[in-house]
Amino acid sequence: GAGVSQSPSNKVTEKGKDVELRCDPISGHTALYWYRQSLGQGLEFLIYFQGNSAPDKSGLPSDRFSAERTGGSVSTLTIQRTQQEDSAVYLCASSPPRQGSNQPQHFGDGTRLSIL
Amino acid sequence: ILNVEQSPQSLHVQEGDSTNFTCSFPSSNFYALHWYRWETAKSPEALFVMTLNGDEKKKGRISATLNTKEGYSYLYIKGSQPEDSATYLCARYRGSTLGRLYFGRGTQLTVWP
Repeated sequence: GAGVSQSPSNKVTEKGKDVELRCDPISGHTALYWYRQSLGQGLEFLIYFQGNSAPDKSGLPSDRFSAERTGGSVSTLTIQRTQQEDSAVYLCASSPPRQGSNQPQHFGDGTRLSIL
Repeated sequence: ILNVEQSPQSLHVQEGDSTNFTCSFPSSNFYALHWYRWETAKSPEALFVMTLNGDEKKKGRISATLNTKEGYSYLYIKGSQPEDSATYLCARYRGSTLGRLYFGRGTQLTVWP
């Protein structure tokens, strides 16, 4: 079956522009996560959606970052007024509906974002 | 922030060598530890999810152990192959916030033919 799909795979944009990154999770997965990896850093949690519950936004680094998930499926991460420090690989992951710590996360290939 | 530490940061071995690396984490309020393999230009792939102290898991030539009381996990690769070259990530699931994983910076493994 299809895995987690992210688009675009690469995005180059000028400082100050807004960008939208898209994630299409595995069908039937109710949990969706966004992470990013900046150069030389570990994977940093950004936001987590679980079904119809309020998202955990505690990892968003600033109010320039927002995310939504429509219809419990596709998610869009929006970065407004991009800065050079936003350059990173943005990864999306999903996991099945069974809650608990023993469910691995399934990752997409990521979007490599470069801010000039 | 939970400090998940991985060592070494990078490792170069010859084909056929066996190798291991370490993930350490705070031992309090432990729920689960995840291991992922991230090959260049691909997506991270789940290797193991470990929940119990003393857990040992195996997948082909790769195995992992877990010590929750002292807060560490070892990943072993027996007879490394060039296709094992990747970054190996461990992540701690804390449980109080469902779904959130805290990742280490990874161990970058290069296996030379």
